[in-house]
Amino acid sequence: NAGVMQNPRHLVRRRGQEARLRCSPMKGHSHVYWYRQLPEEGLKFMVYLQKENIIDESGMPKERFSAEFPKEGPSILRIQQVVRGDSAAYFCASSATSGTVAHEQYFGPGTRLTVT
Amino acid sequence: GENVEQHPSTLSVQEGDSAVIKCTYSDSASNYFPWYKQELGKGPQLIIDIRSNVGEKKDQRIAVTLNKTAKHFSLHITETQPEDSAVYFCAAMPNDYKLSFGAGTTVTVRA
Repeated sequence: NAGVMQNPRHLVRRRGQEARLRCSPMKGHSHVYWYRQLPEEGLKFMVYLQKENIIDESGMPKERFSAEFPKEGPSILRIQQVVRGDSAAYFCASSATSGTVAHEQYFGPGTRLTVT
Repeated sequence: GENVEQHPSTLSVQEGDSAVIKCTYSDSASNYFPWYKQELGKGPQLIIDIRSNVGEKKDQRIAVTLNKTAKHFSLHITETQPEDSAVYFCAAMPNDYKLSFGAGTTVTVRA
């Protein structure tokens, strides 16, 4: 049973370019979360999505950042016109849909974005 | 919002000894407290969790305790082994989905 998958694992972008990060949740999971981890820090919540719906994007910068989770395919975190401060590890997590286990979030290996 | 504080930031223990990491949280609405282990270059791995209706939970060499009155919870690792070396994060969930993480504890187990 494959876990949460993320790609690419490493991404290098020049300032001003766009970064697209992809996340495929665990089989059977329909809730996706994105977190950002700066060096030497804990993870910070960015956005929570269900299929075709953004439930909570309160942790995501209002400009340049967007996220989607289409009916078919992976969830995408998109960062436009990247700046050096966007350099971080971006983690995706997923959880199941029903009952008490809905709280358990399982993380992918992350995408490490470096902006030069 | 929820604020989670974690101590210590680094912890070095001799192999075979115990390790204890403590966290406090601010939002009394938090009812779910997971612990994650993160190895270098990898994603956080859920190792144990506890819900607010339980005071203690154990799984082999790891255990968690929760004191809702004092708003603190702890991770205990007994008989530590070199493979326990990693960064450990506590987290609290004040609603049904948003995890607030502590800053992490780097645990080093000396052989």
